Amino acid sequence: DQQVKQNSPSLSVQEGRISILNCDYTNSMFDYFLWYKKYPAEGPTFLISISSIKDKNEDGRFTVFLNKSAKHLSLHIVPSQPGDSAVYFCAATTQLTSGTYKYIFGTGTRLKVLA
Amino acid sequence: KAGVTQTPRYLIKTRGQQVTLSCSPISGHRSVSWYQQTPGQGLQFLFEYFSETQRNKGNFPGRFSGRQFSNSRSEMNVSTLELGDSALYLCASSPRAGFNYGYTFGSGTRLTVV
Repeated sequence: DQQVKQNSPSLSVQEGRISILNCDYTNSMFDYFLWYKKYPAEGPTFLISISSIKDKNEDGRFTVFLNKSAKHLSLHIVPSQPGDSAVYFCAATTQLTSGTYKYIFGTGTRLKVLA
Repeated sequence: KAGVTQTPRYLIKTRGQQVTLSCSPISGHRSVSWYQQTPGQGLQFLFEYFSETQRNKGNFPGRFSGRQFSNSRSEMNVSTLELGDSALYLCASSPRAGFNYGYTFGSGTRLTVV
């Protein structure tokens, strides 16, 4: 059961335009949502996060939007740069009965920013 | 400060063999988590260790095991390797167990089973 889904395996965007990466989830109990960026031959790098009590978080060119009613998360990159070309993973955390948290990752979207 | 270090970077094994992967977390980080990444499956959680104890476990068979040492370094072992175990194995560290925020990942160990 894939609780966090990224339905677009790839996305191409022109340099300078907006990139919008989408993520859907099924569990309404998720506490935190995060985005990671991954370059080939490197581990994922944490990018930005948002608490489930908020609907927007902004950090420079990156903005994450959360629509709880639609169980939908999106990452906006404006303006897109060639260096943003990478695989983007969304992730969600859920609290376990033990009081700890468990991460669940999506399958990733490969973004290609064209110069 | 040094990041998360995983060794070796690449590994080729044959079916039926066993393999041990190593992870050194960021200094001061006491929690280490392991993930398997395969095409189309994303990152799948294997297990998390904190203070030498396994705190969380993913949905993987018992052939996958791990341990953590007193210096927080962790090892992951896969026995009786199968072709489907070929993947990138990532280790992530965090200051405490069950971390809710951004993990720091290593570059991974690419395991190929032939």
